[in-house]
Amino acid sequence: GENVEQHPSTLSVQEGDSAVIKCTYSDSASNYFPWYKQELGKRPQLIIDIRSNVGEKKDQRIAVTLNKTAKHFSLHITETQPEDSAVYFCAATSGFQKLVFGTGTRLLVSP
Amino acid sequence: EADIYQTPRYLVIGTGKKITLECSQTMGHDKMYWYQQDPGMELHLIHYSYGVNSTEKGDLSSESTVSRIRTEHFPLTLESARPSHTSQYLCASSEKRQGPTDTQYFGPGTRLTVL
Repeated sequence: GENVEQHPSTLSVQEGDSAVIKCTYSDSASNYFPWYKQELGKRPQLIIDIRSNVGEKKDQRIAVTLNKTAKHFSLHITETQPEDSAVYFCAATSGFQKLVFGTGTRLLVSP
Repeated sequence: EADIYQTPRYLVIGTGKKITLECSQTMGHDKMYWYQQDPGMELHLIHYSYGVNSTEKGDLSSESTVSRIRTEHFPLTLESARPSHTSQYLCASSEKRQGPTDTQYFGPGTRLTVL
């Protein structure tokens, strides 16, 4: 089955810096890669996703890149702000419309 | 407002009790999921359903059971709770369609503590 690895487990940046979180997956049949943000005590919320037919997607300060050959995808956050502090999870499809999640990255943005 | 609802939000119970965690969605979605998550840790799929009368076990072994009698309702039951069941339980749903997976939307979760 699908295995998703996520790095780093923690990431500390200064406000205004960029943050990059990387994930690798094992199942070459995976075709959908969402990223979720989970603030303390709250539910995971989708922030961006990418499907296997594109290599990059951007939404304001957030972008995701996908390298299908290498089986890895990354989340890029530019001009980070304190409210970006949260745990971020990547995920990849496993079988028919199930998701396997990465282990999470705790992002801390210091003012 | 279309959303996913979970009750109770917090539950503290003694060992051996039977409990049911409720999940309802007004999103009109066909697929529903239960995940187990320790605080800040990865999400583990324990049950899922593609529609009424369809239930499957997820990737993480769980002693819980689920039912799907109505499209909007997907309750999870623990027949005899143990301290090892202490965790957060998140319900999610997504549309049913052919092709790539649709977005999963999460409920607010139930934080369960078994003493």
